[in-house]
Amino acid sequence: KAGVTQTPRYLIKTRGQQVTLSCSPISGHRSVSWYQQTPGQGLQFLFEYFSETQRNKGNFPGRFSGRQFSNSRSEMNVSTLELGDSALYLCASSSVAGNTEAFFGQGTRLTVV
Amino acid sequence: AQSVTQLGSHVSVSEGALVLLRCNYSSSVPPYLFWYVQYPNQGLQLLLKYTTGATLVKGINGFEAEFKKSETSFHLTKPSAHMSDAAEYFCAVTRAGANNLFFGTGTRLTVIP
Repeated sequence: KAGVTQTPRYLIKTRGQQVTLSCSPISGHRSVSWYQQTPGQGLQFLFEYFSETQRNKGNFPGRFSGRQFSNSRSEMNVSTLELGDSALYLCASSSVAGNTEAFFGQGTRLTVV
Repeated sequence: AQSVTQLGSHVSVSEGALVLLRCNYSSSVPPYLFWYVQYPNQGLQLLLKYTTGATLVKGINGFEAEFKKSETSFHLTKPSAHMSDAAEYFCAVTRAGANNLFFGTGTRLTVIP
C-alpha cells in the first residue's frame, strides 16, 4: 500500500506570492490533516478535512486555506507569503474521522525569500 | 485544552544504555497519547499510542511507554539504545473522536558509540 504522498518536496517562493501544496492520502483514507513545523513554533495543527468538509481548524490566519477533493486528495494554499511561512508542511491521513491513528507524509519544505 | 510538555530538548545516551524520554500532558478530557519519531528531512512515524485499556503500551523498534494518570505522564523508554535510534521524538495528545494532534516541542536523541 502506498503511503502518504506530498508534492512538491521542496519549494522556494518570494514574499507576497501564493503557493499550493498537494497531499495524496493512503488509498481508502478519507481524513487529511495539515501541520506546519518550524524550529521556533514546533509542530502546529493547521486544519483537517474529512469527506471534502473542513472538520477542524487550528489557530492560523485566513491566508492559510485548504480543500479536499472527492478522491480524498487535499491541497493547502497560502496566499501573500511572508518570511515566517518558511516551514516544513506535513500532511497526515487517517482512515476515518476521529480514528486518531495518523500516517504522515514526508512533507513539503517551503522557503520564502 | 490539551497540551504536552517534553522535558529535555536534547538527550544523549551511550549505545546499549537505557533510553528515557519524558512527556507530561495536560488534558481536560481523557487523553489519547502518541509518540512519533522523525528522522532528518522525513515525516513522522508512529512509534506507539495509548487510547484506552492497558496502560503499558509496546511499540515498534523495542520502544514502550506507560500511561500514568496520577502523574499525567507518558514517558517513552527503550532498554538498550541502538545507533539507529538517533532521531527526534515527539509526544502528542488528542482526544477521542478527534484527529488534531497537539505536539510537544520534541526531544533530540543522540546515541554515543
